[in-house]
Amino acid sequence: GAGVSQTPSNKVTEKGKYVELRCDPISGHTALYWYRQSLGQGPEFLIYFQGTGAADDSGLPNDRFFAVRPEGSVSTLKIQRTERGDSAVYLCASSERRLAGGYQDTQYFGPGTRLTVL
Amino acid sequence: AQSVSQHNHHVILSEAASLELGCNYSYGGTVNLFWYVQYPGQHLQLLLKYFSGDPLVKGIKGFEAEFIKSKFSFNLRKPSVQWSDTAEYFCAVGGYSSASKIIFGSGTRLSIRP
Repeated sequence: GAGVSQTPSNKVTEKGKYVELRCDPISGHTALYWYRQSLGQGPEFLIYFQGTGAADDSGLPNDRFFAVRPEGSVSTLKIQRTERGDSAVYLCASSERRLAGGYQDTQYFGPGTRLTVL
Repeated sequence: AQSVSQHNHHVILSEAASLELGCNYSYGGTVNLFWYVQYPGQHLQLLLKYFSGDPLVKGIKGFEAEFIKSKFSFNLRKPSVQWSDTAEYFCAVGGYSSASKIIFGSGTRLSIRP
């Protein structure tokens, strides 16, 4: 079956511009996550959706970053006034959400979008 | 603060050597623990995970990890590595919930000499 897909695969933009990154989760997965991975580092959590609502946005670095998931499926990560420090690979993951207490469902990752801010 | 430490940044081994990658975590409360792997040019994928029960967890491709609660450790092992194990390995910790953010370590790059 289809995995998590992300578009574009690469995005080059200029400092100060606005960008949108898209994530298509695995069909039927209700939980969706955004992570950011800088060179030489592990993925860093940004935000997590349960359905349409952001259940945890504690990882968003500042108010230039915003994400939506209006219909509970596709999500868009939006970055305003991009800065060179925003350059990274942005990863999306999705998981089912079963009501099994405490046991964390596996997160399936997409290929990422490599964002370069010049 | 929640964190994961991976002790080795880059490990180089010959084929058939034994592997152990260290991982320590700091997290309040009950956790889920993971090892993810990223092969060159591929997505992050789950290697194995621990939630409860037997602290020795077996994953794909002959990997296993041992959860030692008293040491807050979750080290990854493989008795005999292959060239195809060349990849980046990430240890991670998640909360006591079916859906929760995952805190990743900085990764260990494993290079296997044929």
